[in-house]
Amino acid sequence: SSELTQDPVVSVALGQTVRITCQGDSLSLYYASWYQQRPGQAPALVIYGKNDRPSGIPPRFSASTSGDTASLTITGAQAEDEADYYCSSRDSSGDLWVFGGGTKLTVL
Amino acid sequence: EVQLVESGGGLIQPGESLRLSCEVSGFSVSVNYMSWVRQSPGKGLEWVSVMYTGGETYFADSVRGRFTIARDNSKNTVFLQMNNLRIDDTAVYYCVRVMRVSAAGFYWFDPWGQGTLVTVSS
Repeated sequence: SSELTQDPVVSVALGQTVRITCQGDSLSLYYASWYQQRPGQAPALVIYGKNDRPSGIPPRFSASTSGDTASLTITGAQAEDEADYYCSSRDSSGDLWVFGGGTKLTVL
Repeated sequence: EVQLVESGGGLIQPGESLRLSCEVSGFSVSVNYMSWVRQSPGKGLEWVSVMYTGGETYFADSVRGRFTIARDNSKNTVFLQMNNLRIDDTAVYYCVRVMRVSAAGFYWFDPWGQGTLVTVSS
């Protein structure tokens, strides 16, 4: 089955821009979706499709894809953005799904 | 309001079985792909299983042959039957809807339930 690789830890200064990446073969076939998980909470969708945000997700969250790498960008990171972020896509086989290992974002 | 409520978790011994339930409101499980995702303590998310609208089911390698997924359309509920449980099955299990625009290659999980904790220990 496919794998998605994320950097385990990323930090960003308050108000600055940060990019979280997700690399895997399946991303050349399927778009990634992105999830935010705060401590003690269930994951929540932040990006889906090519670059769509569910209602309630601020526009500072955006996504892009290039080849086998998907990226989640937070432009002007806020303290409340400190969380774990996971990417996910359908597996290359088409009938399974896969998550990245997660990125812990620290806002300094 | 769209809501998924999992139940059925608990403390169980290795080798035993457990059935999780996911009661859905706000949409019909019969016309949606439904999935289970788990998270071991302190670890990342792991996809477990999916049921398609036509009833086809698929499983992660780690649970295939031990877990089954089913639904009861009349109760709008999805189930995860877990047999021969192992210590490494210990996790919070989340029920999720799989949203899709298949022709465009878009798939995403939304919404998520609050999760139910399964602890496998002797």
